[in-house]
Amino acid sequence: GAGVSQSPRYKVAKRGQDVALRCDPISGHVSLFWYQQALGQGPEFLTYFQNEAQLDKSGLPSDRFFAERPEGSVSTLKIQRTQQEDSAVYLCASSASGSGELFFGEGSRLTVL
Amino acid sequence: EDQVTQSPEALRLQEGESSSLNCSYTVSGLRGLFWYRQDPGKGPEFLFTLYSAGEEKEKERLKATLTKKESFLHITAPKPEDSATYLCAVQGYTGGYNKLIFGAGTRLAVHP
Repeated sequence: GAGVSQSPRYKVAKRGQDVALRCDPISGHVSLFWYQQALGQGPEFLTYFQNEAQLDKSGLPSDRFFAERPEGSVSTLKIQRTQQEDSAVYLCASSASGSGELFFGEGSRLTVL
Repeated sequence: EDQVTQSPEALRLQEGESSSLNCSYTVSGLRGLFWYRQDPGKGPEFLFTLYSAGEEKEKERLKATLTKKESFLHITAPKPEDSATYLCAVQGYTGGYNKLIFGAGTRLAVHP
């Protein structure tokens, strides 16, 4: 596609619900990242995939967070038993190589009530 | 631990009033320093990569420079359309595959 596509753009969840956020990276991009951005803050790293391999998940805040990219293209970030502190914008980014020139999607804004 | 600090947090300029944004960093081996622009409700958009001290990059009214401890984003004769949050990020040789560590950003408002 022309750019990185994320869905849903907005998600409201009740505390305790599970949510799934989808990312369609730019076609052919090997590297895929998930970041979390709180209001007024910079993006914080969550996890990194190279093709289908999850090479770094050091930023996932708890075992309630899980990410996958089974076929090396589309990725899903799943949050189980959501908590209010999970409210944030979740950004997906892809790149053709491992450089820091990332192409970001518009993000999925999660609000947990 | 790799760290990025940006200042000021917010900056208000009149159209045509030049200024600079600061990014101070600590990293165990710099692979690259990156500047991004973020508009409200959008994802960050890549602007520049700098790799070594003394390097400079320019794009329209923006110029990025790099020293061993900090980077500056100089904005010359800004226009209202330059209003955005400017994010600085570093990528180090240690601390994980390819990840970027971002600062909190500088929110720039340019008024006519």
